Amino acid sequence: KQEVTQIPAALSVPEGENLVLNCSFTDSAIYNLQWFRQDPGKGLTSLLLIQSSQREQTSGRLNASLDKSSGRSTLYIAASQPGDSATYLCAVSSNYQLIWGAGTKLIIKP
Amino acid sequence: EAQVTQNPRYLITVTGKKLTVTCSQNMNHEYMSWYRQDPGLGLRQIYYSMNVEVTDKGDVPEGYKVSRKEKRNFPLILESPSPNQTSLYFCASKWSFDRDRGIVGNQPQHFGDGTRLSIL
Repeated sequence: KQEVTQIPAALSVPEGENLVLNCSFTDSAIYNLQWFRQDPGKGLTSLLLIQSSQREQTSGRLNASLDKSSGRSTLYIAASQPGDSATYLCAVSSNYQLIWGAGTKLIIKP
Repeated sequence: EAQVTQNPRYLITVTGKKLTVTCSQNMNHEYMSWYRQDPGLGLRQIYYSMNVEVTDKGDVPEGYKVSRKEKRNFPLILESPSPNQTSLYFCASKWSFDRDRGIVGNQPQHFGDGTRLSIL
């Protein structure tokens, strides 16, 4: 059964730093992997989607990588800003379902 | 504006009183899904629907019902709510899940803003 783990559960860094969030999954038979952002009291916003045949995707200051063989993905955030503070979730798509990690709560200190 | 709309956003109710959370999308998506989110557990899928009149159980379907009589709506029904169903619920939709297998149509899911249910 697919399991998705995100480490760390929480992270606090000063504004301007580059940072990496980690996501690991147990079954490499996935269709794609997605990174989402969740703000308090709000829904989920899709940030990046990496198909199983791809190695990485970029959007602005965000870069997500995927290594299926090792069951890992990273979300790199460059030049972090206070507005990046949120919970970041990764989810893998397999067998008609999205399997989710528990998220990393990110706080960017001004 | 493309969106997924859930109602209500917040609800406090009592054990055993039937309730329905509505979900509607205006993007003509085939696939719709319900999730619950609990602290430390992430999101878990309750039910999903590949298209009209096609529904299937997710990981935690016990105590819930769904229906998909028309493409835009996918209500979540709690026939006899219990306190362990207190949670944050999300509805989501996408064009088609089957198309994830190829390059064309590989789209992310769109989520509603969530419904916070408290069952006393």
